[in-house]
Amino acid sequence: KAGVTQTPRYLIKTRGQQVTLSCSPISGHRSVSWYQQTPGQGLQFLFEYFSETQRNKGNFPGRFSGRQFSNSRSEMNVSTLELGDSALYLCASSFDRGEETQYFGPGTRLLVL
Amino acid sequence: KQEVTQIPAALSVPEGENLVLNCSFTDSAIYNLQWFRQDPGKGLTSLLLIQSSQREQTSGRLNASLDKSSGRSTLYIAASQPGDSATYLCAGAEYTGNQFYFGTGTSLTVIP
Repeated sequence: KAGVTQTPRYLIKTRGQQVTLSCSPISGHRSVSWYQQTPGQGLQFLFEYFSETQRNKGNFPGRFSGRQFSNSRSEMNVSTLELGDSALYLCASSFDRGEETQYFGPGTRLLVL
Repeated sequence: KQEVTQIPAALSVPEGENLVLNCSFTDSAIYNLQWFRQDPGKGLTSLLLIQSSQREQTSGRLNASLDKSSGRSTLYIAASQPGDSATYLCAGAEYTGNQFYFGTGTSLTVIP
């Protein structure tokens, strides 16, 4: 069974631009969560989608948004990029919102110049 | 807001040693807990999941336990190997759902 895939793997943008990251969960998984990882803040929860609905949202500004499609693939968008948005963005999928193991993708490394 | 601390931040041991990694939550109301490893520049690999009805999980040389009364978890690695070198992260969820609070990580180096 294929794992969680994320595209692109690397991205370089400049301040003020916007970016869209994509995550394809493991086949059959309906929950997708997004995390931001930085050396200073560690791993922080962005949001979780389940069956196309946002169920949980972390403490991030409105510039960070996401969505989930009917095939459970998810995208996250960051508008008006700031230098501090440089990070590794990880998505995780699980079958349901219950007590399931979360499987992480390799991440998208975003560098904002 | 849940704060998660992992001790030690870094650990270097000779091959073959048994070791213990610690994780503690400021709010002990942890519903379930997961331990991960992360290799440099890579995503996270799930090691063990302790569900709400459990107190302990074992997989091979790894054993994780969760004390809900204190909000503390330990990961025990037996007979460490150089391939165990990685950063180990604990993550806890406060209720059934997928918002996990992650620890700061323990960077482990196993010296051959």
